[in-house]
Amino acid sequence: EAQVTQNPRYLITVTGKKLTVTCSQNMNHEYMSWYRQDPGLGLRQIYYSMNVEVTDKGDVPEGYKVSRKEKRNFPLILESPSPNQTSLYFCASSPRPGGEQFFGPGTRLTVL
Amino acid sequence: QKEVEQNSGPLSVPEGAIASLNCTYSDRGSQSFFWYRQYSGKSPELIMSIYSNGDKEDGRFTAQLNKASQYVSLLIRDSQPSDSATYLCAVNIRNYGQNFVFGPGTRLSVLP
Repeated sequence: EAQVTQNPRYLITVTGKKLTVTCSQNMNHEYMSWYRQDPGLGLRQIYYSMNVEVTDKGDVPEGYKVSRKEKRNFPLILESPSPNQTSLYFCASSPRPGGEQFFGPGTRLTVL
Repeated sequence: QKEVEQNSGPLSVPEGAIASLNCTYSDRGSQSFFWYRQYSGKSPELIMSIYSNGDKEDGRFTAQLNKASQYVSLLIRDSQPSDSATYLCAVNIRNYGQNFVFGPGTRLSVLP
């Protein structure tokens, strides 16, 4: 089944404890993105990747890192999480630049 | 600041009626436009994409794009209770790059 997977689906952590949210897609898509979704603010793009080793900042990159060492994986790293990073996070992949996106199931993160 | 605005909701329509969802965007250079549907607690799923001025129809859904007016809309004919969801407008703000801006969403309720 073609899909985007994210792990973990739910995570409660404390301020400053480094964490990684994994994202993997099995559709051989070159283009991948991370978003956060907050009430009243909608989906905001954090980072995106156009290819292996090619990443760029979206609208809200502060406090996040990404890497793209393999085509299928695009992990999101929070080096020192803070409570304002409490949010619902979505990973997405796309078969073409600027094209339709396929979203993962989401990761609900709470930072205490 | 690249912005995407949607008509504020919630929007309520009776079953069988036409639901009209609107979206405006600020970046005149935008080239690709998308409508996603998001059920509560779920990830966004693609409904329609549109790239050229005019109408694009897919079943009960019609997307309309007017680049001169920087306006894109989604019409849902014969609305069903299962259409009740939040509809997200997304705009690719750099010509065929991977930078997307989403609107805040319009919540649609279809009343039986």
